[in-house]
Amino acid sequence: DAGITQSPRYKITETGRQVTLMCHQTWSHSYMFWYRQDLGHGLRLIYYSAAADITDKGEVPDGYVVSRSKTENFPLTLESATRSQTSVYFCASSEYVRDKKYEQYFGPGTRLTVT
Amino acid sequence: GQNIDQPTEMTATEGAIVQINCTYQTSGFNGLFWYQQHAGEAPTFLSYNVLDGLEEKGRFSSFLSRSKGYSYLLLKELQMKDSASYLCAVRALVAGGYQKVTFGTGTKLQVIP
Repeated sequence: DAGITQSPRYKITETGRQVTLMCHQTWSHSYMFWYRQDLGHGLRLIYYSAAADITDKGEVPDGYVVSRSKTENFPLTLESATRSQTSVYFCASSEYVRDKKYEQYFGPGTRLTVT
Repeated sequence: GQNIDQPTEMTATEGAIVQINCTYQTSGFNGLFWYQQHAGEAPTFLSYNVLDGLEEKGRFSSFLSRSKGYSYLLLKELQMKDSASYLCAVRALVAGGYQKVTFGTGTKLQVIP
């Protein structure tokens, strides 16, 4: 199906484990983003990518690693999960031209619990 | 960096009009978005402003004043289904000509009969 998908949708992991959240989009959008959403904090940008092999940090990058070897995929890895990383993670994609609309399209989210 | 402020919660009556404000401070401003997010769902796009003024789209309108770092989302003829969180997001140009989009904490709107 066309669109933006995330997997898994739900994940429970233990403290110290490595876990990877997957994001895949079929529009060939140049930009992809990872956000986490927690009560009282709204959506906070973790990392974003302007194109394959171009990534940069957002507001809360510590403890996360991203890669983008292909335009359509943008995995997010928690190298050693901590309880503070329990959250809902949203992936988004968009095109970008200066001053043009090009809104973000969001995936359905991954609810991650770290025990 | 960017600083985006919105009220945390608002309550309004079905059929009424509500205005949700957003103030921001950013360098490299290149557009402001409003998204709607129902509980347990992903955000969906509502409106976009990059120039000063009002953009109208059905029951929803959004206003921007770049000099004041201020935007509002106006919802008319409120319906129960409008109960959701409304997220203000600012796009900025960063080094390299790339875009970066950051969100406010969102305003939870409750529509009551």
